Amino acid sequence: DTAVSQTPKYLVTQMGNDKSIKCEQNLGHDTMYWYKQDSKKFLKIMFSYNNKELIINETVPNRFSPKSPDKAHLNLHINSLELGDSAVYFCASSQAQSNNYGYTFGSGTRLTVV
Amino acid sequence: GIQVEQSPPDLILQEGANSTLRCNFSDSVNNLQWFHQNPWGQLINLFYIPSGTKQNGRLSATTVATERYSLLYISSSQTTDSGVYFCAASLYQFYFGTGTSLTVIP
Repeated sequence: DTAVSQTPKYLVTQMGNDKSIKCEQNLGHDTMYWYKQDSKKFLKIMFSYNNKELIINETVPNRFSPKSPDKAHLNLHINSLELGDSAVYFCASSQAQSNNYGYTFGSGTRLTVV
Repeated sequence: GIQVEQSPPDLILQEGANSTLRCNFSDSVNNLQWFHQNPWGQLINLFYIPSGTKQNGRLSATTVATERYSLLYISSSQTTDSGVYFCAASLYQFYFGTGTSLTVIP
């Protein structure tokens, strides 16, 4: 069983569209994250949720909206997609908000906006 | 936030060679992890090592938290070791370094 699974793996869409990426973890972790990896491979945190509550919201456009229906799921919805949103988006989870435990990452979603 | 610097940025090794990757961080941290991103883009957790030394097969890592650095040792490198190695340091959230891109040639 995959510990942190993301869907879809690849997403190609036109500018202006709205899309969602789903993430689920079966590790029983209580904290989940979204990271963006740009074309230079730099990984930057976007959001962190602990037990369905938003903990970290880095400076990202408000077109990005995370949603956590329960602590095992953290979905990312993106409105009015722009070319600059093209990147690989990684979901991750950890056992404690204090980050005293390591991260487990999903396999990533490669988003291409054309 | 915490500044995380990795060196070298790029490394090319002959198969069988050893190497040391370094990670410096700007502030006190309570968590440090090393990851390998393989050529298919998958991020694999290598070590959770806020302090001390750990070994896993041909890989080992050492973190000296008081001096704000961590080292990843790769011995007898193989072509499957190719990819990007990231360290991530955390006090309240993880900050990633820019990575070391490793290419192992046969």
